[in-house]
Parts: sequence; C-alpha cells; structure tokens
Amino acid sequence: QKEVEQDPGPLSVPEGAIVSLNCTYSNSAFQYFMWYRQYSRKGPELLMYTYSSGNKEDGRFTAQVDKSSKYISLFIRDSQPSDSATYLCAMSAGAGGTSYGKLTFGQGTILTVHP
Amino acid sequence: NAGVTQTPKFQVLKTGQSMTLQCAQDMNHNSMYWYRQDPGMGLRLIYYSASEGTTDKGEVPNGYNVSRLNKREFSLRLESAAPSQTSVYFCASSGWRGGEQFFGPGTRLTVL
Repeated sequence: QKEVEQDPGPLSVPEGAIVSLNCTYSNSAFQYFMWYRQYSRKGPELLMYTYSSGNKEDGRFTAQVDKSSKYISLFIRDSQPSDSATYLCAMSAGAGGTSYGKLTFGQGTILTVHP
Repeated sequence: NAGVTQTPKFQVLKTGQSMTLQCAQDMNHNSMYWYRQDPGMGLRLIYYSASEGTTDKGEVPNGYNVSRLNKREFSLRLESAAPSQTSVYFCASSGWRGGEQFFGPGTRLTVL
C-alpha cells in the first residue's frame, strides 16, 4: 500500500463548478501538507501549504486537513479553464536533520475545466 | 532570478549509454532534490541533498548517482541507461520551509 493515495481521475467539470480533490495517507508522522499544481509540460508549483489539522483559505482555494482521519482535501470554488492542470498532494514529517524537507507525493489528479 | 534551471530539456539515449543531468538554483537554498515522474506514479524521489556536502538515497536510487558540486548545483548521473529509466526528471530546491520546494522545468529522457 502506498503511503499517500490520490484518485488520479481524470476529473472534468464545467466552468464555475466547485472542485474537490482528496488524498488519504497512512503515515501518522506527517505534519506538513501541501498541494502542488502542475501545468502540462511544466514543473510543479506550490499552491497551498498547511501545518497540522485545520483549514486554510487563499482566494478561490481552500485546503483542509483532518489528521484524525488521515485525509486532506483541496477545494476550488468558481473553477476556471485556467485551473486545468494536474494537482498533486504532498506531505512531510518535518522532522529535523537530513529528513527535513523530504516530501511524499500522491499520484496526482488531472483536472479539466471546460468553458 | 532564474529559480531552478535544468539542462538538457530533452535527451534520447541508447541502452547502455551514460549521461549527466545538470541542475542549478540561484535562491541560496540549502536542500536540493532529484525526482522522476512517470504516468500514474506521481513524483518519486531519487536522491536528495539536505545541505552542501551531503547526499542521501530516496525512494528509487538504483541506477543513479548524484553529486552536490556546490551550494548551487546538483547533478544526476545515469551510468548505464536502461529503458526503465525513460521518464521526466525534475530537480527541486528548498530553503528554510522544507516542504516548500521549487521545481525546475524538467528533462524528458527517452532510453531506446
């Protein structure tokens, strides 16, 4: 079983829809949770960064972390065609020493928002 | 600032050939990483360097070697390329906030 599981989709929604992307994980040591966005033929870029459980909002994007259920989500409100990309969840234990900064990624979800 | 740069952008090799992928960052980051990305597999860590002078294996290190040349540069070498190493390779770096990694544009490698 992978440490981080993410539904690869693909997910296709109409413009203006609310999108929900999810990941589950098995390693209870994970404390830092991130969502990266990757456009076609580009490198991933950080979209959201959260620590421990709770919600974080940034414009149309909301990240939720439920450590008790080992479940994280990314919500996109009023989705736009420019949101079409692959979304990758990533997690880190955040311990000190040489392991600090090591990320474990989900498989990525391909999202298409059509006009 | 250029951020993270990678060379080459594309490469085709024959089985058994060797090559080195180059990566450089200008953000004064301590940590650097090499990943490979395959369809349906997400990003898998090959090697990383927490700081200048140190390197450690990641999830899929077999068939690869790395060199942290200085604080800016981190290279990945394939000594004897195999078709299973056909992939897109990404270099990344991170500063004080370890999970916030900055990625290069990638190298698309095909091994025939």
